[in-house]
Amino acid sequence: DAKTTQPPSMDCAEGRAANLPCNHSTISGNEYVYWYRQIHSQGPQYIIHGLKNNETNEMASLIITEDRKSSTLILPHATLRDTAVYYCIVRRGGATNKLIFGTGTLLAVQP
Amino acid sequence: NAGVTQTPKFRVLKTGQSMTLLCAQDMNHEYMYWYRQDPGMGLRLIHYSVGEGTTAKGEVPDGYNVSRLKKQNFLLGLESAAPSQTSVYFCASHGTGMGTDTQYFGPGTRLTVL
Repeated sequence: DAKTTQPPSMDCAEGRAANLPCNHSTISGNEYVYWYRQIHSQGPQYIIHGLKNNETNEMASLIITEDRKSSTLILPHATLRDTAVYYCIVRRGGATNKLIFGTGTLLAVQP
Repeated sequence: NAGVTQTPKFRVLKTGQSMTLLCAQDMNHEYMYWYRQDPGMGLRLIHYSVGEGTTAKGEVPDGYNVSRLKKQNFLLGLESAAPSQTSVYFCASHGTGMGTDTQYFGPGTRLTVL
């Protein structure tokens, strides 16, 4: 599975959009980009995933560049409850393909 | 649906003691996983199971054993606990089929080995 690179930390003002970048320059054609987050002391929570098209759900939007070497997770209106570590993971689809967690980005939403 | 539950939430052991962590899911998922998370680090896969009666090793399996006698339960055992096994343990399950390609995690078990 391809490795990812994320900034260790970011700040965002409450109510503003949070844009979390992820580089995955060695991604293969059959690998998806997944985002999970972990709020302090809790189990990780799935946010969104995509292959090559941009995706949106009730939690966030995922923008993947045309060459698929990087992506951005967008939380449109960040709240204090969005303060968490966000993990960008690249892997092939399917349950037998394991998630490999890096150290992620600590997003601190400021009041 | 309760989702993924873990028992116990906290435990303190002495070196050499044994214990079993229980994970239960009510989503009829085939795949289940055990991870550990040390301070400041991401999760690392210990063992996983692709169905009832099956188990497989992950990244860091040494010192742990697992069993999947029932589809809804996945047990993680420590036969002789060591201080290096002090960690937070997370269980997860994963469905198959359209629209289910995500893992659901439990709340974690905080284990301290003295």
